[in-house]
Amino acid sequence: GAVVSQHPSRVICKSGTSVKIECRSLDFQATTMFWYRQFPKQSLMLMATSNEGSKATYEQGVEKDKFLINHASLTLSTLTVTSAHPEDSSFYICSASPAGGLETQYFGPGTRLLVL
Amino acid sequence: SQQGEEDPQALSIQEGENATMNCSYKTSINNLQWYRQNSGRGLVHLILIRSNEREKHSGRLRVTLDTSKKSSSLLITASRAADTASYFCATRRPAAGNKLTFGGGTRVLVKP
Repeated sequence: GAVVSQHPSRVICKSGTSVKIECRSLDFQATTMFWYRQFPKQSLMLMATSNEGSKATYEQGVEKDKFLINHASLTLSTLTVTSAHPEDSSFYICSASPAGGLETQYFGPGTRLLVL
Repeated sequence: SQQGEEDPQALSIQEGENATMNCSYKTSINNLQWYRQNSGRGLVHLILIRSNEREKHSGRLRVTLDTSKKSSSLLITASRAADTASYFCATRRPAAGNKLTFGGGTRVLVKP
């Protein structure tokens, strides 16, 4: 099946720093990518939808200046957590849909962020 | 609020037994999907059932969909220790721009 990778898989940073997480579709072109956040023992909450070459659409309650999303190519989307604070510590998961295949979403392995 | 609500929240069974979990939703859907997530890992897609389908099978998995009751069930037969994971239902709704909305999940523990 299609493969989506995330990098890094785990990151620890100091409060106030910015962290960039990459999401790549390895064997298909992803016109749409999604970013989710998951707290321990909870479900996935959609943060934003990004379409290649256009601005991301953020879900209600998600600060776009806090969580910067860039989808510069058909195989790469990045999520930057700016000025991270301990409450931003979470598991961030991306998913990608191929062109014409919104019904299908392939999920990355997730990135564990710990802000000290 | 979550579109999909799952029950039970947690399930503990012996290897070889069947595991059944349910998902309810509130508004019309295009399809409903089930995913598995091992601890600290990404999601693995298990099965998709469309709104005009009532039942689907994939290996040891059986999914039913009752659109009149707005509910779905996932049955894992002859469970194995490797089935230990969290299971999530997710709905795709036209009213939500066809975005996937996840339920709260069921944590399944299969004891050897």
